[in-house]
Amino acid sequence: SYVLTQPPSVSVAPGKTARITCGGNNIGSKSVHWYQQKPGQAPVLVIYYDSDRPSGIPERFSGSNSGNTATLTISRVEAGDEADYYCQVWDSSSDIGVFGGGTKLTVL
Amino acid sequence: EVQLVESGGGLVQPGRSLRLSCTASGFTFGDYAMSWVRQAPGKGLEWVGFIRSKAYGGTTEYAASVKGRFTISRDDSKSIAYLQMNSLKTEDTAVYYCTTHLDYTYYFDYWGQGTLVTVSS
Repeated sequence: SYVLTQPPSVSVAPGKTARITCGGNNIGSKSVHWYQQKPGQAPVLVIYYDSDRPSGIPERFSGSNSGNTATLTISRVEAGDEADYYCQVWDSSSDIGVFGGGTKLTVL
Repeated sequence: EVQLVESGGGLVQPGRSLRLSCTASGFTFGDYAMSWVRQAPGKGLEWVGFIRSKAYGGTTEYAASVKGRFTISRDDSKSIAYLQMNSLKTEDTAVYYCTTHLDYTYYFDYWGQGTLVTVSS
């Protein structure tokens, strides 16, 4: 089955840029979606179709996808961005959903 | 406003069954697929399975870890999706979320608050 690999943790100072990667075999050929999850809360979609933002998500959140790596970029990081972030794709060969293992973003 | 409310969670012994419900409102339930996603304590998200809308056949797909034990169904007249869990194992302990999406989009834009299932003797 398709595997998505994320770094367990990323740390960034306030006001700086955070980049969270999601690796997968030829992931650039798939659509990647990203979710933010804060403690005790349900996940929230922050990026879909690689780089589209749902309404209400700040422009500071952006995404890209090419080759074997998709990236979620958070610009001008704020304390409130501290959360777990998950990438997700649909494995059309098996017709199943796949999540990455998640990345804990720490704002220093 | 889209709302998804899960119910039916609780403590259950290994080998027993449990049925979760997801009651939806704020959208035309019958036009959407419904997925279940779970999260074991302190762990990441795991996709469990989904059911397509009737327009797309109402068919189901499941993760390998639950295939043959879990069954997803839907009652469009009541706007409810179900997750029937049989032969439960301790590793099925998790918060179970229902989500909704269009049949052809495969990303999860609306989530319930989750319901905790604990499998323990």
